[in-house]
Amino acid sequence: DARVTQTPRHKVTEMGQEVTMRCQPILGHNTVFWYRQTMMQGLELLAYFRNRAPLDDSGMPKDRFSAEMPDATLATLKIQPSEPRDSAVYFCASAALGRGPRTDTQYFGPGTRLTVL
Amino acid sequence: DQQVKQNSPSLSVQEGRISILNCDYTNSMFDYFLWYKKYPAEGPTFLISISSIKDKNEDGRFTVFLNKSAKHLSLHIVPSQPGDSAVYFCAATQYNNNDMRFGAGTRLTVKP
Repeated sequence: DARVTQTPRHKVTEMGQEVTMRCQPILGHNTVFWYRQTMMQGLELLAYFRNRAPLDDSGMPKDRFSAEMPDATLATLKIQPSEPRDSAVYFCASAALGRGPRTDTQYFGPGTRLTVL
Repeated sequence: DQQVKQNSPSLSVQEGRISILNCDYTNSMFDYFLWYKKYPAEGPTFLISISSIKDKNEDGRFTVFLNKSAKHLSLHIVPSQPGDSAVYFCAATQYNNNDMRFGAGTRLTVKP
């Protein structure tokens, strides 16, 4: 049963500290997404990668957020420095897009709940 | 820029009755629509989808209706079950564009 995994599941940190969230996409999926869920905005797309190349990160605050895919099995989202307004649940999702019949189904990880004090 | 809107943050229905969740979108270029279901402490999971060439797609108790002229879609659950209690997200995307937009979600509570 292939799943997207995310670590850590919970993170509490103090304002100004660096936070790194990790995601392992489903093996064989070529597209990875980062979302942030807040009460007001629902699921906001922060960034996504296709074949490890960043395609769009316009949803991310550029001055403090960065997303990378060091290899096909790992995606990272980093916040430096973190602020209380960054407190949210961050989801990673992966999909096999552009292959054969169209499928836009994204498979989500369980999320990282971040609290910045 | 909320291109996908779910105006009802919550909905409560009795077990066995119909649940209707609504979603509106503003971008006429969207041509594929999905519903995701989310339980607490879990990531959203795909539920059902519909292409813009159709106006209805059915999968068991779940049916999605699309009204392109009104830029509106809805998810019907019949009959509703307590296990359906979750947050439901509507999502929309455009062919060849991986940028999927989600609504804010509707929390459905099905009472026994």
